[in-house]
Amino acid sequence: AQSVTQLGSHVSVSEGALVLLRCNYSSSVPPYLFWYVQYPNQGLQLLLKYTSAATLVKGINGFEAEFKKSETSFHLTKPSAHMSDAAEYFCAVGGIDNDMRFGAGTRLTVKP
Amino acid sequence: DAMVIQNPRYQVTQFGKPVTLSCSQTLNHNVMYWYQQKSSQAPKLLFHYYDKDFNNEADTPDNFQSRRPNTSFCFLDIRSPGLGDAAMYLCATSRTGVSGQYFGPGTRLTVT
Repeated sequence: AQSVTQLGSHVSVSEGALVLLRCNYSSSVPPYLFWYVQYPNQGLQLLLKYTSAATLVKGINGFEAEFKKSETSFHLTKPSAHMSDAAEYFCAVGGIDNDMRFGAGTRLTVKP
Repeated sequence: DAMVIQNPRYQVTQFGKPVTLSCSQTLNHNVMYWYQQKSSQAPKLLFHYYDKDFNNEADTPDNFQSRRPNTSFCFLDIRSPGLGDAAMYLCATSRTGVSGQYFGPGTRLTVT
């Protein structure tokens, strides 16, 4: 079975600081990994996805994530946080059976 | 713009009174999903359709049913809503299970 674990349910950074949201995966087959963002009372928006091509994946809004097989990680980063980045972020793993399993989520707060 | 539409955005129903939530898509995606998301939790997959093939999650209560009359539309029926079914219900679509999902804005269900 595939699963993801997000380390830290809440992360707080200052505006302009580095954003690092952590995600580790468990999968017996090469995983397909995703990061989604959710703003209050909205659906989820796909930020980026890893599908076994380049290990460094660039997404929207300046976010990127690096797939590290040796560490079974897919951490999300952004060099400089903006106030508009405050939201809930979900890491997810997908499989060829069309399922998607989400992590518990990390709430990002950006302080002025 | 191609998109996933959910109606209504807010739904209030009475305890035990059947309710139907609807989802439509203009993306022409093969797969449609229904998720339940409770406050501060990750989305929980209820079921999904790959074309007309229905796939129910093992722990989805029988109280939840779904219909997909054509590629564009998918419905979530809650036969006898309980107070514990109050949640945000998210519809999503994807071309395949590994291509990433596109989410609608969700329907927030209140049970009185």
